[in-house]
Order: sequence, then structure tokens, then C-alpha cells
Amino acid sequence: SQTIHQWPATLVQPVGSPLSLECTVEGTSNPNLYWYRQAAGRGLQLLFYSVGIGQISSEVPQNLSASRPQDRQFILSSKKLLLSDSGFYLCAWSAGLPMNTEAFFGQGTRLTVV
Amino acid sequence: QKEVEQDPGPLSVPEGAIVSLNCTYSNSAFQYFMWYRQYSRKGPELLMYTYSSGNKEDGRFTAQVDKSSKYISLFIRDSQPSDSATYLCAFKKAGTALIFGKGTTLSVSS
Repeated sequence: SQTIHQWPATLVQPVGSPLSLECTVEGTSNPNLYWYRQAAGRGLQLLFYSVGIGQISSEVPQNLSASRPQDRQFILSSKKLLLSDSGFYLCAWSAGLPMNTEAFFGQGTRLTVV
Repeated sequence: QKEVEQDPGPLSVPEGAIVSLNCTYSNSAFQYFMWYRQYSRKGPELLMYTYSSGNKEDGRFTAQVDKSSKYISLFIRDSQPSDSATYLCAFKKAGTALIFGKGTTLSVSS
């Protein structure tokens, strides 16, 4: 069966510090991968998605970037965090044709920028 | 008009009640309709997935889609305290990522 791992679960970082969140998927090949952010009262916002190694699409201009160095690894980064980057970050994957099926989520990383 | 609208609640019901959760949408190109359940501080988990109008049942859960009215519902029968969570509706059209509602918070008291 497929599993998705996301870490860390909780992170407190000072303003201006760098960020690296990692997500890996097991049990499937060539998954579509996604990074979402969930802010209180604002629902789930798609940040990035990837249909293959090195292929990243950005949905919203951000202080964030994403990379996919391996087939089942997706990384969310920032060079300098802002207070507004605080939120609950979720990695997800889906199978099949690009984005044509349901998505399965990791357990999330709660980021607090102080 | 927003693409997806979902009443945030909170919705409080006693154990055993029938719960009705609803979303409306404006984009007629949406082809896939989903409901996710999210417990506090956890990632969303997929509950129901359908692509046609009508009802789909899975245990105590029934998903209903009305494409003509652009309206989807999730019914929970015999609600349990363990059903207390936030429920997110989600929509997609071919080749795009999921678009989520903001979620409805449900509390079931014993």
C-alpha cells in the first residue's frame, strides 16, 4: 500500500531564517505531488504541484519554492521566512494521469514563524 | 460568485443524529466530487469520491451530487463522537488540482 511521510510535524522558526520541509511517498511510482497550505478560516491553498522529477508548477507567487530531486521526494523551501508564512503545510500525492484522481495527504507540518 | 462555497459552521449535534453537510459550486466544468475528513492537527483523509450525479453510499456515509443545481452533500447517519472533525468538500476538473471548500466543523456530543 502507498504511504506518505511528511516531517517535521511541528516547527518554530524565527523571521528571516530558511525553511526546508520534506515529503516522501512510498509504494507507488511517478506520483503527482502537491504542497498545500492551510490557514485558519481560509481553507486549503495549493502552492505547488509536480508531475515529474524537476517539473514544478507554482500556483501562487510566494516567498516559497519547491523542488523534486527524486521521483518520490518533494521539498518545500524558503530562503527567508516571513511572519505571513506561518500555517499548516500539507503534502499530498495522486496517481494516474496528471491530477485526474483523488489526492492523499500527509499528516502536515505546523509552522510558526516568530 | 465564489467557485466553491461551504458553510463553516460550527455544527453541533447529539450522538445518533443524522448530519447533513453541504457545498455549492459555480464551475460547471467540475467532473469529480470528493469529501475529506480532517481531525484537529492532522492531514485530510479521503471519505468519498464520485464523478456522477446521484447518491453513493459507504457505511454510515452517503455522498449526494446534483450537477444541475451545482450542489453536493454528505450525510452521516447515526453520528458518533468520533465523527467530530472538519469536513472539506473538494472539486476538480480534468488536468487541474483539487479545489477545496473552507470546511465545516462538526461536533457530535455523547
